[in-house]
Amino acid sequence: QVQLVQSGTEVKKPGASVKVSCKASGYTFTNYGISWVRQAPGQGLEWMAWISVYNGNTNYAQKLQGRVTMTTDTSTSIAYMELRSLRSDDTAVYYCARGNDGLPFDYWGQGSLVTVSS
Amino acid sequence: SYELTQPPSVSVSPGQTASITCSGDKLGDKYACWYQQKPGQSPVLVIYQDSKRPSGIPERFSGSNSGNTATLTISGTQALDEADYYCQAWDSGTGVFGGGTKLTVL
Repeated sequence: QVQLVQSGTEVKKPGASVKVSCKASGYTFTNYGISWVRQAPGQGLEWMAWISVYNGNTNYAQKLQGRVTMTTDTSTSIAYMELRSLRSDDTAVYYCARGNDGLPFDYWGQGSLVTVSS
Repeated sequence: SYELTQPPSVSVSPGQTASITCSGDKLGDKYACWYQQKPGQSPVLVIYQDSKRPSGIPERFSGSNSGNTATLTISGTQALDEADYYCQAWDSGTGVFGGGTKLTVL
């Protein structure tokens, strides 16, 4: 069965960076893209970015351009999302989901809480 | 940037039909998806490509999309359908979510 298992809770100080991982299993990793979606406490879902695992193409939300980078390691079927220059309003649960441009997000990870606090 | 608008809340009595709308410019020209999210859980895809149900999603969930509005319809609503629902579409390679609708079954 398809599973996306994410890394655990992170607590970071403002200005720091965080790297969240998402390990995929149960399907051919290179056949699907991976997207990242975040949800601030009590708020809605916000799409952040997608990556084509097949060729490494990416697309980032305009508001995060320059601060976020998505990568994948096809040898381990892991996708990574790195967010830099963290601010308090980056505090959120970060989800990886299978799916990219034009496709639905059909499987989701369990979420990774990132707290940014001094 | 492209925006999708949902009502913040919808209420329905058990057994009745709930309709949740999602509005966006020429949304009917795009595919709409719907996600259900219960407290403390990850979202679950309930409708994709406007009206298709993933395996395991009950038949009482249906969707439509035309003009500027996509609609999620839940027939014979049950208490376990109480959740937040989000519409989503793609616009020029960018993912867009609606603000979410809290469905209350009372």
